Amino acid sequence: QVQLVESGGGVVQPGGSLRLSCAASGFTFSSYGMHWVRQGPGKGLEWVTFIRYDGGNKLYADSVKGRFTISRDSSKNTLYLQMNSLRAEDTAVYYCAKDGSGYAFDIWGQGTMVTVSS
Amino acid sequence: QSALTQPASVSGSPGQSITLSCTGTSSDVGSYNLVSWYLQHPGKAPKLMIYEGSKRPSGVSNRFSGSKSGNTASLTISGLQAEDEADYYCCSYAGSSTFYVFGTGTKVTVL
Repeated sequence: QVQLVESGGGVVQPGGSLRLSCAASGFTFSSYGMHWVRQGPGKGLEWVTFIRYDGGNKLYADSVKGRFTISRDSSKNTLYLQMNSLRAEDTAVYYCAKDGSGYAFDIWGQGTMVTVSS
Repeated sequence: QSALTQPASVSGSPGQSITLSCTGTSSDVGSYNLVSWYLQHPGKAPKLMIYEGSKRPSGVSNRFSGSKSGNTASLTISGLQAEDEADYYCCSYAGSSTFYVFGTGTKVTVL
């Protein structure tokens, strides 16, 4: 079945770095754009970043531009999010999501928690 | 870019119909027919319920329907069931600088 599984979350100090991974299965990963969406504790959803199916176009929310980098390895069916210069406000559950019709997010992973704290 | 505005909570009795609103601006909801809706149970990942304003993905009950008028999108849940109790988020494409904006979320309670 179609599945996305995130990993790599944890506790990191302010200013630190972390890399998240999202393993995809059940669909042709190399044919679809992918997103990262996050949700702070008790808060709503926030779109973070997008990468085109071929990695040729990457988009970022202003809140993470210059600090986060999205990438993908289609040979491993895996999406990545490199997060640098982390701040307390980056504390959230990070979800990877498949790009669907009409600019929607049609498949979501279960999420991985990132906590930025000293 | 501010979040889309949703009522904090909506409630209804089993079998009733309820409508959730999602108000944006002429830069997002009003400019594009690209509103999607997501259901999220506590501690779970969001699930796509509606895309392109009114289309249902395969497997989503036809009790869920979407519409738009001007800068406001709406999600109607008919024949309310206990399992519909969850948080609901709208999302709109917002152009080539902001890209995506989510709503503030609505907690649906089934009385």
